[in-house]
Amino acid sequence: DTEVTQTPKHLVMGMTNKKSLKCEQHMGHRAMYWYKQKAKKPPELMFVYSYEKLSINESVPSRFSPECPNSSLLNLHLHALQPEDSALYLCASSQASLAGFSYNEQFFGPGTRLTVL
Amino acid sequence: AQSVAQPEDQVNVAEGNPLTVKCTYSVSGNPYLFWYVQYPNRGLQFLLKYITGDNLVKGSYGFEAEFNKSQTSFHLKKPSALVSDSALYFCAVSQRGGNKLVFGAGTILRVKS
Repeated sequence: DTEVTQTPKHLVMGMTNKKSLKCEQHMGHRAMYWYKQKAKKPPELMFVYSYEKLSINESVPSRFSPECPNSSLLNLHLHALQPEDSALYLCASSQASLAGFSYNEQFFGPGTRLTVL
Repeated sequence: AQSVAQPEDQVNVAEGNPLTVKCTYSVSGNPYLFWYVQYPNRGLQFLLKYITGDNLVKGSYGFEAEFNKSQTSFHLKKPSALVSDSALYFCAVSQRGGNKLVFGAGTILRVKS
């Protein structure tokens, strides 16, 4: 299985709502990533998890809260978002090692299209 | 800090002609370089990477890229373009121990029949 799955595909939420994005992979990858992508722009890294521990937080506002419950799952909890947070949210995974893993290609999911009203 | 430049917002090529999508990079030390492709409303797909060794890297769907250290470039090439190659292409760089990928702005490739 070489697939990263993301649910839901689309999400519309108000600024006072709480919602979660889910990501799953069964490739045995121990690095997982969240990216935010605006239309026709490159993905912007938000968070990196390595061996289920948060290793990189790119100064993301606290209204985004990541969680890695196990080596196959990655969640992104959303609360009190702003309209400018509307974007495609991409999850990715890659092989990892404790010595570093920046040479490994990342496998991306199809993304969740988020609209904040 | 690492960075990537893709100087062309869009590249137009006729089907059957060779294509080149340009990428230059800046990174401390030896770079790890990647090309990804994104079709509309989809995630990114990995095409190829350069880690070390042979400067000419072959990847998926007939694409290849040449690492040029003196020019700090990693241009993507294909000998004969297909209409189905039309998509958004991203070059990306990471550095040893960084565990972080930095993407270029992207280049839209349009292949016309």
